[in-house]
Amino acid sequence: EVQLVESGGGLVQPGGSLRLSCAASGFTFSRYWMTWVRQAPGKGLEWVANIKKDGSEKYYVDSLKGRFTISRDNAKNSLSLQMNSLRAEDTAVYYCAREGVGVWYFDLWGRGTLVTVSS
Amino acid sequence: SYVVTQPPSVSVAPGQTARISCGGNNIGDKGVHWYQQKPGQAPVLVVHDDDARPSGIPERISGSNSGNTATLTISRVEAGDEADYYCQVWDSDSDHYVFGTGTKVTVL
Repeated sequence: EVQLVESGGGLVQPGGSLRLSCAASGFTFSRYWMTWVRQAPGKGLEWVANIKKDGSEKYYVDSLKGRFTISRDNAKNSLSLQMNSLRAEDTAVYYCAREGVGVWYFDLWGRGTLVTVSS
Repeated sequence: SYVVTQPPSVSVAPGQTARISCGGNNIGDKGVHWYQQKPGQAPVLVVHDDDARPSGIPERISGSNSGNTATLTISRVEAGDEADYYCQVWDSDSDHYVFGTGTKVTVL
């Protein structure tokens, strides 16, 4: 089955760190750019970061100011998001999504993992 | 950065037509994609590249894009269409993806 499954979410204190993972299955992971999208409670979707098929290019939303790092391991069909210096406003459901080949939209989404930043 | 705006809400009676706008500067020059998100679920792609439907999406759902506005149209609205809808574009100037603000569709 073609799917993405996120993990690693949870409760973390402000200033803390968390690493999210996304396990891909049912497709050739290395052929796709991958993305993280987040959604704060009751709010809209926000693109966070994406990474090229081979990991050689990475892009981030400007507001992150270097606190997050996206990475991938094609041998393990895995995508990650290292989140540091977390703030209350980072509280959100984080979705892993696949970018279609040669297109600029997301054709496969995971179910998301909730990150709560609170003391 | 590129800004995309949507009306916060649209209400429509069953069987009628819902139109959701997505506004941006010369958005007609960009490919616009639409996602449907029901409560507690991940978004689902319903229209890509302005007016193309992925397999499994009913013909009642269609899209258009011209000038400064893209539009998602849902014909013969059903209760199951009640959801949040987001438009999305790729901003080539910043190499960033941009989502619209989202529209909640309520079926009366």
